Parts: sequence; C-alpha cells; structure tokens
Amino acid sequence: GENVEQHPSTLSVQEGDSAVIKCTYSDSASNYFPWYKQELGKRPQLIIDIRSNVGEKKDQRIAVTLNKTAKHFSLHITETQPEDSAVYFCAANGGSYIPTFGRGTSLIVHP
Amino acid sequence: GAVVSQHPSWVICKSGTSVKIECRSLDFQATTMFWYRQFPKQSLMLMATSNEGSKATYEQGVEKDKFLINHASLTLSTLTVTSAHPEDSSFYICSAAIGATGYEQYFGPGTRLTVT
Repeated sequence: GENVEQHPSTLSVQEGDSAVIKCTYSDSASNYFPWYKQELGKRPQLIIDIRSNVGEKKDQRIAVTLNKTAKHFSLHITETQPEDSAVYFCAANGGSYIPTFGRGTSLIVHP
Repeated sequence: GAVVSQHPSWVICKSGTSVKIECRSLDFQATTMFWYRQFPKQSLMLMATSNEGSKATYEQGVEKDKFLINHASLTLSTLTVTSAHPEDSSFYICSAAIGATGYEQYFGPGTRLTVT
C-alpha cells in the first residue's frame, strides 16, 4: 500500500515569512495529492490539490509542487498570517479513491 | 457546495451503551463515504469505506461488529459504536467523496465521543 511521510512535524515562523511542508510517497500509481488544513477541534478542509499530470498549482498565497520522479510534493505558503496557524496534512491516493494521510505538520505563525 | 454534516457534534455515554453517529452530504450525492478516527495531535486513521447499498469495507484491525456502518442512501451513512468502552473515546470524522474520479473528499465537522 501507499506510505506517506511528512516533514516537519512542527514548523514555527514569523508573520510574513514563507512556510514549506514536504511529503514523500511510495506508490508510483498515486495520481492525486490533496492538502488539508485542520484547525483545533474542527474538520480538515481541502485547501489545494494537484494531480499527477501537472507539476505546480497555485492559489493566491498557497502553492503545491509535485516531483513524480522523486515521488515528493510540497506545500508552499507565502506571506504567512497568524490565521494560517493550524495542522496541515498531505495525502496521496495510491491510484485509488482512498487517500493515505501524512502525520501532519503543526504550523505556528507568530505575529 | 460540497457540504457534509455530522450529528451529533459531541456525545457522552456510559460504558456498555451504543452510540449512533450520522453523516450526511447536504448538497450532493456521495456514493462513497469514509469514517475516520482521530486521536489528539495525531493524523486521521481510516476505519472503513462505506458504499451506498453494500457492506462497508473495514481497515485491518477495526472490529466490524463493534463499529457498525450503514450507508442506506446516497446522502446518509451512519456509524454505530456498540457496547462502548472508555478506550472508544475519540474524535470520529466522516467524509464524502465527490468529483468525476471520486478523489476529492469533504469532511464532516466531527463527533467527539466520550465514554464514561
């Protein structure tokens, strides 16, 4: 099955800085890579996703890059704000509709 | 669009009783729903995949007789925790798959279960 590794587990930045979270996956059949943001006690929310036929996708301050050869993908958040503080999960689908989640990254943005 | 509701949002029950959690897709039909369990500061652990009109597929290590899943319609799936014990206390989250490929998942708000 698919195995997803996510780093770092905790990331602390100053407001306005950029934040990068990296994930690697094992199954070359994976073709869908979503990122979720989860605030404390709330549901995970899909913030951006990328499919294997593109290498990069951007939505305002958030971007995701995918390197299929190396089997890794990354979330980039620019101009971080305190409200970006949350736990972020990456996932890979192993070619099916059942995603495997990473362990999560706790992002702390200091004002 | 793509709104998923979950009820109740929290529940406290006594050991030995059963608790039912409902998951509804409000503005779309979901042929596939998922049930997750999440411990504090941990990732989402997939418990089972629920398909409308068929038996749920449980992940390894999840007791199907303890966690009963029913997907009666395209908008409703239920999880019943039977004979609950304190170790069943957790945050239970459902999600529904949407999209042409069924890849995109939208999560319910979760149910906090506390067994005393």
